[in-house]
Amino acid sequence: DGGITQSPKYLFRKEGQNVTLSCEQNLNHDAMYWYRQDPGQGLRLIYYSQIVNDFQKGDIAEGYSVSREKKESFPLTVTSAQKNPTAFYLCASSQALTGELFFGEGSRLTVL
Amino acid sequence: ILNVEQSPQSLHVQEGDSTNFTCSFPSSNFYALHWYRWETAKSPEALFVMTLNGDEKKKGRISATLNTKEGYSYLYIKGSQPEDSATYLCAFCGSGGGADGLTFGKGTHLIIQP
Repeated sequence: DGGITQSPKYLFRKEGQNVTLSCEQNLNHDAMYWYRQDPGQGLRLIYYSQIVNDFQKGDIAEGYSVSREKKESFPLTVTSAQKNPTAFYLCASSQALTGELFFGEGSRLTVL
Repeated sequence: ILNVEQSPQSLHVQEGDSTNFTCSFPSSNFYALHWYRWETAKSPEALFVMTLNGDEKKKGRISATLNTKEGYSYLYIKGSQPEDSATYLCAFCGSGGGADGLTFGKGTHLIIQP
């Protein structure tokens, strides 16, 4: 079945460590996104990519990095520069920037 | 930063009753308004993408209306069922055509009581 796969579902990290969250899609979508959710807040955009080898910062990109080497894959690295990385992270894709989003099941990162 | 407001934050409804909730968004530079349903332990799923003022969309017992001039959308659920329990998110897409991504509201958490 077509869809978005995120891994891992749960991740624990020590302070000062970088971690990478995986996002893979087999929907042949051009656009991919990373959102962050914190309690009591709406989803906030971290990064998005419209095409391979191109990506743009969202509202809260500081302390994060991404790559888009393949159409199917859009990994997110949470670096040690991210001040408050504990959160729930959602990856999504869409056929076009204006189209409906298809989401993964999310990754919950906890910094110990 | 755009302001997308959803009300109420949470809602308890008896099974069989109908309900509705609101999404408010900027009335200028509008391109589209999305509605998503997010059930616990699942991925958010799109319900509607609405682009035209006055648009009304329906999927089963769920429908939505759109007023772009005044900047609001209503989501209606008729004859609520336990499986309707979820968080309902709206998201605003500005006239940049999504170049800045979608701006999400905080959601309305709906609980259907048997």
